Amino acid sequence: AQTVTQSQPEMSVQEAETVTLSCTYDTSESNYYLFWYKQPPSRQMILVIRQEAYKQQNATENRFSVNFQKAAKSFSLKISDSQLGDTAMYFCAKSGNTPLVFGKGTRLSVIA
Amino acid sequence: DAGVIQSPRHEVTEMGQEVTLRCKLISGHNSLFWYRQTMMRGLELLIYFNNNVPIDDSGMPEDRFSAKMPNASFSTLKIQPSEPRDSAVYFCASSLLPPGTNNEQFFGPGTRLTVL
Repeated sequence: AQTVTQSQPEMSVQEAETVTLSCTYDTSESNYYLFWYKQPPSRQMILVIRQEAYKQQNATENRFSVNFQKAAKSFSLKISDSQLGDTAMYFCAKSGNTPLVFGKGTRLSVIA
Repeated sequence: DAGVIQSPRHEVTEMGQEVTLRCKLISGHNSLFWYRQTMMRGLELLIYFNNNVPIDDSGMPEDRFSAKMPNASFSTLKIQPSEPRDSAVYFCASSLLPPGTNNEQFFGPGTRLTVL
């Protein structure tokens, strides 16, 4: 079975600082898609950023960027200039020939 | 567009009762996914449909769970009879394209189910 592993159950960061959330995955597919979703206390699942495995360039969305290491099967999320509104659960997910498989999540707290 | 709509938002029921969760897809989307979220198991895919047809229901826990998509915009997830271990948040999500694409899944707000 395909797995997505997030090794950091909880993290905290000072407002305006940078934080990196880790994610590794297991797959035998050559092409697939990786996603980071954010789940704030409201419970709504929100797509933060996505990466296509055949693209070498790391995806960037404003303050959010990824470090995609295909050989290492690693897909970390970097949040720059952290804001209080970034406090949430963050889920890494992978989609290939099957629907999304999610990691267990990392709870991020941004401290004022 | 109002996004994916789920009802009810909260449901409290007693063990043995039938529970029906409802989901309305985003107009024009062709794929529909039901997920369950618990602290212990995280987010699990229960079943997904493409063009109203169930494609993979291997995540459905047991025969007490059933899902239907009577038309292109609406789906139900039924639990009969319900048990306390079914307590969870159930999400519905839809996407324009099927799995295996770089296509975002749009999630509904979820239904928090509590079975006493």
